[in-house]
Amino acid sequence: DVVMTQSPLSLPVTLGQPASISCRSSQSLLHNDGNTYLSWFQQRPGQSPRRLIYKVSNRDSGVPDRFSGSGSGTDFTLKISRVEAEDVGVYYCMQGTHWPQLTFGGGTKVEIK
Amino acid sequence: QVQLVASGGGLVEPGGSLRLSCAASGFTFSDDYMTWIRQAPGKGLEWISYISESGRNIYYADSVKGRFTISRDNAKKSLYLQMNSLRAEDTAVYYCTNVAGSSIEYWGQGTLVTVSS
Repeated sequence: DVVMTQSPLSLPVTLGQPASISCRSSQSLLHNDGNTYLSWFQQRPGQSPRRLIYKVSNRDSGVPDRFSGSGSGTDFTLKISRVEAEDVGVYYCMQGTHWPQLTFGGGTKVEIK
Repeated sequence: QVQLVASGGGLVEPGGSLRLSCAASGFTFSDDYMTWIRQAPGKGLEWISYISESGRNIYYADSVKGRFTISRDNAKKSLYLQMNSLRAEDTAVYYCTNVAGSSIEYWGQGTLVTVSS
């Protein structure tokens, strides 16, 4: 089974400052079809999760461009260039390469200092 | 506008059963794999089951295999989860989602299942 490990668990950030979340997989997420199926989700307090990024670096419609995703193989990063108050919440990475399982990271809680 | 409206949650005793439903709209339901994802109180996300577009291919996480059954009705644009032999550790918010391009594109609002005596 693929294990997804996120760090840090908690990330206090000053408003307007950058933030970075790491996600590591126990196996390469490069699929035989050439794609890497790594997604990022944001879950604001009291809300359902919402996808921000798919296939490592593709932003969903409506997602601010201060969010960016990067990485390859087993190491991935979600960056927020300048944190805003509405970015508070828990962020999850998820792999979709190794079917039939969809595997989530444990989550990173972003809070304002 | 995409909507995934889950229902059927509630309080049930250990060993009991519940059937969750999810009504989909705003996208072509019959084109997508569908899944159930759950989140225990204060915990992370856990994929538990998915079903292919036709219903021919079905997979379960080990934690629910043999106890839960996923199904769908494309004519009604609905997804279901029959949950039997419920345990305290099944207590969670259950989300209905689609799968497109090996990722979860849409999430519903979730329905809370509480297993307690």
